Amino acid sequence: AAGVIQSPRHLIKEKRETATLKCYPIPRHDTVYWYQQGPGQDPQFLISFYEKMQSDKGSIPDRFSAQQFSDYHSELNMSSLELGDSALYFCASSLRAGVDTQYFGPGTRLTVL
Amino acid sequence: DAKTTQPTSMDCAEGRAANLPCNHSTISGNEYVYWYRQIHSQGPQYIIHGLKNNETNEMASLIITEDRKSSTLILPHATLRDTAVYYCIVREALSNFGNEKLTFGTGTRLTIIP
Repeated sequence: AAGVIQSPRHLIKEKRETATLKCYPIPRHDTVYWYQQGPGQDPQFLISFYEKMQSDKGSIPDRFSAQQFSDYHSELNMSSLELGDSALYFCASSLRAGVDTQYFGPGTRLTVL
Repeated sequence: DAKTTQPTSMDCAEGRAANLPCNHSTISGNEYVYWYRQIHSQGPQYIIHGLKNNETNEMASLIITEDRKSSTLILPHATLRDTAVYYCIVREALSNFGNEKLTFGTGTRLTIIP
């Protein structure tokens, strides 16, 4: 079965640079979630979108922004990168109507030097 | 904040049943119990979820106590590939717009021993 696709899988950036992470949900899924997992930590919710509108927001820094496009893919934009932004970033998707189980992608490993 | 309590770590012999407990004493009537696992920095993998009744699928069984204050995830025949961190998460059954996130606790690190 098709799964959530994330790109790139690995990304290395310098401090103060910008990064864009992409997420392609499972076909027919209209809701996308972003999570951040720092080294040795558990995943933490950042933000979610339903039908291209932001539906929930967690502890997402102001330097981060995200959006969902008409084809339901989502992008997480991160600016003025800091060393502490080094983490795994997971995207999950769900079919909102009825079946709300979130299915996760493989993640993007961001390293900030 | 996470609404569940799980043991930090557990060991299980390969081929035996792994029973992972979870306490969710403050669960409300409209909250599901979800289980995910994460194998070494991979994306969390959905295992199973339930509301009141016991559930079984090809991966595991979920036993929920009658008062719904605790549950047990059962992996019937554990293999080395089941070594992972297992997360028990409670979440509203009818997700209100704006209340859909999963709140991960510290989970149980399950090690399958050959």
